[in-house]
Amino acid sequence: EAGVVQSPRYKIIEKKQPVAFWCNPISGHNTLYWYLQNLGQGPELLIRYENEEAVDDSQLPKDRFSAERLKGVDSTLKIQPAELGDSAVYLCASSLGGRGNEQFFGPGTRLTVL
Amino acid sequence: GEDVEQSLFLSVREGDSSVINCTYTDSSSTYLYWYKQEPGAGLQLLTYIFSNMDMKQDQRLTVLLNKKDKHLSLRIADTQTGDSAIYFCAESTWGSQGNLIFGKGTKLSVKP
Repeated sequence: EAGVVQSPRYKIIEKKQPVAFWCNPISGHNTLYWYLQNLGQGPELLIRYENEEAVDDSQLPKDRFSAERLKGVDSTLKIQPAELGDSAVYLCASSLGGRGNEQFFGPGTRLTVL
Repeated sequence: GEDVEQSLFLSVREGDSSVINCTYTDSSSTYLYWYKQEPGAGLQLLTYIFSNMDMKQDQRLTVLLNKKDKHLSLRIADTQTGDSAIYFCAESTWGSQGNLIFGKGTKLSVKP
């Protein structure tokens, strides 16, 4: 069974440019998460989807970040415009949903903003 | 508020036991997790424990939960060089609606 797929794995951009990350969750997983992981820190939730609905986006900086999961499968996270402080690893995870269900993580996209 | 604390570094010799500790503040924690992250990789779930349990054992891994002190530990028996990684403690609480709150991670170094 394929795991959570993310692309690209690495991205280097100049500040003020837009950037997008893509995630394909494990087949059948209704719940999808985007996390931000700064260097030396644990992951912090940005947004959680149940199917195509964003049920928790309270930590998503909505002035520059946006996300979508149009058909309840793949998801895209966008930053426009990127700032120096956005340099981090962006992790996608998926689960069957519900409390206690294991979250499976993708390898992440490492973003460097110059 | 919710907060999860871990010591940042642990160094052990191959073959010894490793004990990684974690404290949390939210008494409404339902599940507590241990994740492993190797360089350049995502997080891998190692084990988890429900909050009404005191201990869980899975092969070389033993999880101990002291709910009174809000203290969680992960013991790795016969630690191998392949166990070198960052270990994250995480909690899921009623208030977080099942979302995970992670600690900063403990970097385990295993010396041959």
